[in-house]
Amino acid sequence: DAKTTQPPSMDCAEGRAANLPCNHSTISGNEYVYWYRQIHSQGPQYIIHGLKNNETNEMASLIITEDRKSSTLILPHATLRDTAVYYCIVRENSGYSTLTFGKGTMLLVSP
Amino acid sequence: DTEVTQTPKHLVMGMTNKKSLKCEQHMGHRAMYWYKQKAKKPPELMFVYSYEKLSINESVPSRFSPECPNSSLLNLHLHALQPEDSALYLCASSLEGVAFFGQGTRLTVV
Repeated sequence: DAKTTQPPSMDCAEGRAANLPCNHSTISGNEYVYWYRQIHSQGPQYIIHGLKNNETNEMASLIITEDRKSSTLILPHATLRDTAVYYCIVRENSGYSTLTFGKGTMLLVSP
Repeated sequence: DTEVTQTPKHLVMGMTNKKSLKCEQHMGHRAMYWYKQKAKKPPELMFVYSYEKLSINESVPSRFSPECPNSSLLNLHLHALQPEDSALYLCASSLEGVAFFGQGTRLTVV
């Protein structure tokens, strides 16, 4: 079962920041928070992951609360191409642990 | 090269047919996965291979038969499928937690 809770949908205006929340209150100490997104009819795409520190890459920023029970994915300047389903996943940082998808958040970026 | 290649992109098969889905990666990843995704649902894990050995089978019916002939290839053999097996089948590979997905095979069973 997925260990995360996300809002089913969110809207964002093009050019504005999109802040996608995720609750993972049962996360264990060796589990990381991963974010993926899936644009319609394509395979999921890795965005970012972190353990407890905030992380940033060319796609997004990940803010993890101090108690690690929730996190926020930030797309700083959303574009129409960011319209997708965003999945927050917790898993061990092992190449062989399973990746279990929850229902995700459908982000709609509008002009 | 961070690409996972799946073939074919689309497949239509009858319920008595035998077909295979193929997945290939050249990133040196030793974990490979098959997922099934129905419309408007998240991907569901089917199988996990670790070092070419099946490590996880999520109670998938025997009409789906995975095979990992070498560290770069993953096959999914299909036989006697039902119309409800129509879905997007996704392959992934991973190293140190980050998984890369292929674009999937859209399967229709008629």
